[in-house]
Amino acid sequence: SQTIHQWPATLVQPVGSPLSLECTVEGTSNPNLYWYRQAAGRGLQLLFYSIGIDQISSEVPQNLSASRPQDRQFILSSKKLLLSDSGFYLCAWRNLGQEGPDGYTFGSGTRLTVV
Amino acid sequence: DQQVKQNSPSLSVQEGRISILNCDYTNSMFDYFLWYKKYPAEGPTFLISISSIKDKNEDGRFTVFLNKSAKHLSLHIVPSQPGDSAVYFCAASEYAGNLIFGKGTKLSVKP
Repeated sequence: SQTIHQWPATLVQPVGSPLSLECTVEGTSNPNLYWYRQAAGRGLQLLFYSIGIDQISSEVPQNLSASRPQDRQFILSSKKLLLSDSGFYLCAWRNLGQEGPDGYTFGSGTRLTVV
Repeated sequence: DQQVKQNSPSLSVQEGRISILNCDYTNSMFDYFLWYKKYPAEGPTFLISISSIKDKNEDGRFTVFLNKSAKHLSLHIVPSQPGDSAVYFCAASEYAGNLIFGKGTKLSVKP
C-alpha cells in the first residue's frame, strides 16, 4: 500500500534560521509531489510541485525552495526563515496512473512557527 | 486573484440537521471539483468529488451539487453528526492539473 511520511510534526525556529522539511512516499513510483501551505486565514496554497527527479515548479514567489533528489523524496527548504513563513505545511502525492485529481493523498503536515 | 472561493469561514449546525457548505469558482476551464475534510494538525482527506459533466454526486450522507452556469458548487451533509466537525476545503482543477483550494469553511456540529 502507498503511504506518505512527513516530518517533523511541529517545529519552532527563530527568524533567520534555515529550514528543511522532508517528505517521502512509499509504495509507488514516479508520483507527482506537492508542497502546500495553510497559513492563518488563507486556505491551502500550492507552493511547489514536481513531476520527476530534479523537476520542480514554483507556484508563488517566496522565501522557500524545493528539491527532489530522489523519485520518492521531496524536500522543502529555506536559507533564512521569515516570520511570514509560519504555517502548516503539507506534502501530497498523486499517482499519475490515477484518473482525476481525487488521486491526491496528503501527509500529516508540519506546524512551523517562526519566532 | 482567488479562483476558488469559500465565502463563509464558519458554519454552525445542530446535530441531525442539514449542513450546506458553499463554494464558487471563476475559472471556466475547471472540470473537476472536490471536497476535502481536515481535522486540526492533520492533512486533508478526500471526501467527495464531481466532474463537470455531472450536476450531482452522492455518497452516503454527503452530496455535492454543481451548477456550472453559476460556477457554484455545494456540499450537503445529511444528517449532520458531531464527528463531521472539521474544516472543509473546496478544490478544483483542470483534468490532470494541480488542485486549487478555497480558504475553507469550519463546520461545527452541536449535539
